[in-house]
Amino acid sequence: GENVEQHPSTLSVQEGDSAVIKCTYSDSASNYFPWYKQELGKRPQLIIDIRSNVGEKKDQRIAVTLNKTAKHFSLHITETQPEDSAVYFCAASKGSGGGADGLTFGKGTHLIIQP
Amino acid sequence: DAGVIQSPRHEVTEMGQEVTLRCKPISGHDYLFWYRQTMMRGLELLIYFNNNVPIDDSGMPEDRFSAKMPNASFSTLKIQPSEPRDSAVYFCASSWAGGGYTFGSGTRLTVV
Repeated sequence: GENVEQHPSTLSVQEGDSAVIKCTYSDSASNYFPWYKQELGKRPQLIIDIRSNVGEKKDQRIAVTLNKTAKHFSLHITETQPEDSAVYFCAASKGSGGGADGLTFGKGTHLIIQP
Repeated sequence: DAGVIQSPRHEVTEMGQEVTLRCKPISGHDYLFWYRQTMMRGLELLIYFNNNVPIDDSGMPEDRFSAKMPNASFSTLKIQPSEPRDSAVYFCASSWAGGGYTFGSGTRLTVV
């Protein structure tokens, strides 16, 4: 089955700096890669996703890049703010539309924004 | 839409007791997923349904766990008998084939 590795497990950055979280996956059939943000005691919430026919996607301060050949994808957050502090999860799925298959999650990255 | 609704939000039970977790998916979503979250193992997929039919239950840890979806608007996850190692947050999520998941607020289960 699919295996998703996520690094680092903890990331501390100064407010205003950029943060990068990296994931690798094992199953070349995976074609949908979402990122979730989870605040303490809350549900995971989708922040951005990318499908395998796209190499990069951006939404304001958040961007995701995908390298299918190397089987890795990354989350980039620019101009970090205190409200970005949370645990971020990457995931992979073979569901071509994104919702039609189970997600395999990475172990999460605890992002800490230092004031 | 009220989103994915799970109940109860918190459950404390004694070892050996039966526990039933409930989920109401978003109307129109034809996929329903049950996940378990622990510090040690992260978010794990337990089982998912499509049009009320179980598609993949390979993540169900053992026979003590069972899940049903009797209709498009309701699903249950049952643990019988419960054990302390079942303590976790259990999330239900729903989706449609072309869209991303929406997670419920989760049920925090503590087995003492």
